[in-house]
Amino acid sequence: DTAVSQTPKYLVTQMGNDKSIKCEQNLGHDTMYWYKQDSKKFLKIMFSYNNKELIINETVPNRFSPKSPDKAHLNLHINSLELGDSAVYFCASSQARGNEQYFGPGTRLTVT
Amino acid sequence: SQQGEEDPQALSIQEGENATMNCSYKTSINNLQWYRQNSGRGLVHLILIRSNEREKHSGRLRVTLDTSKKSSSLLITASRAADTASYFCALNNAGNMLTFGGGTRLMVKP
Repeated sequence: DTAVSQTPKYLVTQMGNDKSIKCEQNLGHDTMYWYKQDSKKFLKIMFSYNNKELIINETVPNRFSPKSPDKAHLNLHINSLELGDSAVYFCASSQARGNEQYFGPGTRLTVT
Repeated sequence: SQQGEEDPQALSIQEGENATMNCSYKTSINNLQWYRQNSGRGLVHLILIRSNEREKHSGRLRVTLDTSKKSSSLLITASRAADTASYFCALNNAGNMLTFGGGTRLMVKP
């Protein structure tokens, strides 16, 4: 069974469009995350979320918004896509903040 | 900086040799974690070492932590071609958020 899954795996879209990436975890974890990995492999936290608190990295543009319909899902919505948004986006989960994290396979977003 | 810095950035060794990667940081930490990322895949957690621990082992992996020097090392013994991957240290500090370094790209030649 896949622990943390993301869809789609690849996403190619044009500038200005709005898109969503879905994430689901079946580990029963309380906390989920979104990361952005750039072309140089640097991994940057975007959001941390549990059912009580959303922590946002202040460097993330407000065009990005996480939405959690329930504890097992944390989707990422991106409005008005820009070229610089092209990257690989990873979802992750952990039992609690600070614990080891389990990562999804990533979504490669290409904005043209 | 709040993120760890791995050294070296790239490492190439022969199968059977040991590989050592280092991570230095500047802030206090709650714990430090090492992850592996194979090409085109997500990160996989390897070891978590708490700030009051000095050494941990997991199979062929050995992690040390020196909080006085603010550094950690990951040793992979008897490396295999399958160990070829990028290895990241991640700091758990204030707010219990993880910040990742840029990684060490390890290539193990058969």
